[in-house]
Amino acid sequence: AQSVTQLDSQVPVFEEAPVELRCNYSSSVSVYLFWYVQYPNQGLQLLLKYLSGSTLVESINGFEAEFNKSQTSFHLRKPSVHISDTAEYFCAVTRMDSSYKLIFGSGTRLLVRP
Amino acid sequence: GAGVSQSPSNKVTEKGKDVELRCDPISGHTALYWYRQSLGQGLEFLIYFQGNSAPDKSGLPSDRFSAERTGGSVSTLTIQRTQQEDSAVYLCASSLRVGQGNQPQHFGDGTRLSIL
Repeated sequence: AQSVTQLDSQVPVFEEAPVELRCNYSSSVSVYLFWYVQYPNQGLQLLLKYLSGSTLVESINGFEAEFNKSQTSFHLRKPSVHISDTAEYFCAVTRMDSSYKLIFGSGTRLLVRP
Repeated sequence: GAGVSQSPSNKVTEKGKDVELRCDPISGHTALYWYRQSLGQGLEFLIYFQGNSAPDKSGLPSDRFSAERTGGSVSTLTIQRTQQEDSAVYLCASSLRVGQGNQPQHFGDGTRLSIL
């Protein structure tokens, strides 16, 4: 079975400061990894994904995540956050051999303050 | 529209009533998924469809829950004899096809279900 742990339920940060949202996973088989973002009263939007290749993946709005196989982590980072980044962020995995069921972490609420 | 459409956006009903939630996937997407988001359980997978078939129903919480998909398009999730613990946001997603991680799941805005 797969599981995803997001240790931080809420991360407050000042605007223009850097941020890291932590994600660790457990799986006996190879997985794909994802970060989704959820704005209030909206569904989930895919932020970025790791399938294979370079362990550092980037999104179009300045977020990046690095896959670390030895530490089974996929932490999300941004060097300078904006007020508009305030949202809930979910890390998720899916098995490579049957990639239909997303297993989500409990989410991290990023609160950006002016 | 171009995205996944879910209706109603909000539903309030009395305990014991049946409810139907609807999902209209992105045109051309053959795979459709239902998830539930609740305070106590977080985001949970319920069921997925490839075409009109549901190969994995393992996430449905009880036999009060059922889902169908017709014409390879619209899907309905039905909850019979609703209980208060069914209160949650029900999210639908679709993707071009199943089984390939590089085909991301696109989510609708969900149906917020409240059981009184």
